[in-house]
Amino acid sequence: DTGVSQNPRHKITKRGQNVTFRCDPISEHNRLYWYRQTLGQGPEFLTYFQNEAQLEKSRLLSDRFSAERPKGSFSTLEIQRTEQGDSAMYLCASSLSEADEKLFFGSGTQLSVL
Amino acid sequence: GENVEQHPSTLSVQEGDSAVIKCTYSDSASNYFPWYKQELGKRPQLIIDIRSNVGEKKDQRIAVTLNKTAKHFSLHITETQPEDSAVYFCAPRNSNYQLIWGAGTKLIIKP
Repeated sequence: DTGVSQNPRHKITKRGQNVTFRCDPISEHNRLYWYRQTLGQGPEFLTYFQNEAQLEKSRLLSDRFSAERPKGSFSTLEIQRTEQGDSAMYLCASSLSEADEKLFFGSGTQLSVL
Repeated sequence: GENVEQHPSTLSVQEGDSAVIKCTYSDSASNYFPWYKQELGKRPQLIIDIRSNVGEKKDQRIAVTLNKTAKHFSLHITETQPEDSAVYFCAPRNSNYQLIWGAGTKLIIKP
């Protein structure tokens, strides 16, 4: 286990299709975060998990977005009925615990909605 | 809501010179102040952080200073090198334990 892993690295889809991304955090990390980043901007918080519990979801996140972390290990982020505005880099990060704020990021999934 | 601002948005320095990036925040309850570096096409990586009970922290050529009264903290890079070229983000943690990210500062090191 060398770090946070995200799949796929790139996803091209047509508007209206559903997409799902996967994140595998560092194995002993309890916290897992999803961010979205567009060119020239900082990461935008989407949601985070403490083990399998989803503790917070951004108000900016529409109902088309859902995330799960069923066994407190890997997580999936699904976007339903994709729109062109969903095109972005989706970053996953993990941290050891609430007390340890250091985030370790994955390489991200670049989504392009045509 | 919380407000985080970074200045400048772009900084160009001669190789070997120093660079300073400033981050101001609005949440007076913030108590953790990290800086992340993101090279082109790569993931953000933590380069240095500081807590509110410390005024300054140094790690080789990189340092962070904190002024809690004025609600700002700064990243200092000395003897800049080409590999320092990147976008740097501050991300102070708010009272809900969430990192609030700045818009980033693009640092360009001129040879």
